[in-house]
Amino acid sequence: DIQMTQSPSTLSASVGDRVTITCRASQSISRWLAWYQQKPGMAPNLLISNASSLQSGVPSSFSGSGSGSEFTLTVTSLQPDDFATYYCQQYYSYPLTFGGGTRVEIK
Amino acid sequence: DVQLVESGGGLVRPGGSLRLACTAFGFNFNDHYMDWVRQAPGKGLEWVARISNKANNYTTKYAASVKGRFTISRDDSKNSLYLQMNSLKTEDAAVYFCAREGSGYNYGLLDFWGQGTLVPVSS
Repeated sequence: DIQMTQSPSTLSASVGDRVTITCRASQSISRWLAWYQQKPGMAPNLLISNASSLQSGVPSSFSGSGSGSEFTLTVTSLQPDDFATYYCQQYYSYPLTFGGGTRVEIK
Repeated sequence: DVQLVESGGGLVRPGGSLRLACTAFGFNFNDHYMDWVRQAPGKGLEWVARISNKANNYTTKYAASVKGRFTISRDDSKNSLYLQMNSLKTEDAAVYFCAREGSGYNYGLLDFWGQGTLVPVSS
């Protein structure tokens, strides 16, 4: 199974900050990586596919990069609605696996 | 609009069984692979199972933690996905989400999710 490791597990930031979350795969997954946002009590919402393709309706302040085994999610200017938990997920092979999550909280 | 609506959750005792359902609206259900993903209280996301479409013979895949106990199935005539859960353990307690996989080359990409159904497992 491919292990996905996210860091940090918690991130304290202020509105307007630039934040970066890292996701590492235990082997190369090419660009078969997705990022999801989840708010308390809600389902995850797909933000980015194929490592860097922004889904329709997702603010352009979000971006993804990387390939192989190292990936990043960046939010260039954090907004109040962005405080949430973020997960990476590989879809290179089954079983599908997720990172442990990064909770972005208000400083 | 795409919508996935889960049902069937509820309290079950260890060793018991439960069948979850997910009804799809707003897209061609027949075309898509479908998955179940779970989230234990306060924990991260764990993929559970996947079923392909008819064109790919309804093939199934399972997480090692549920293989042999859970069965994923679908009824395309009812736009519905199911998860039969047997021999439930306390560690199966979670919110269970159904999710649609993307089309084309995006197998495994979970592009729409239901709101989830809660399955507590306790004596």
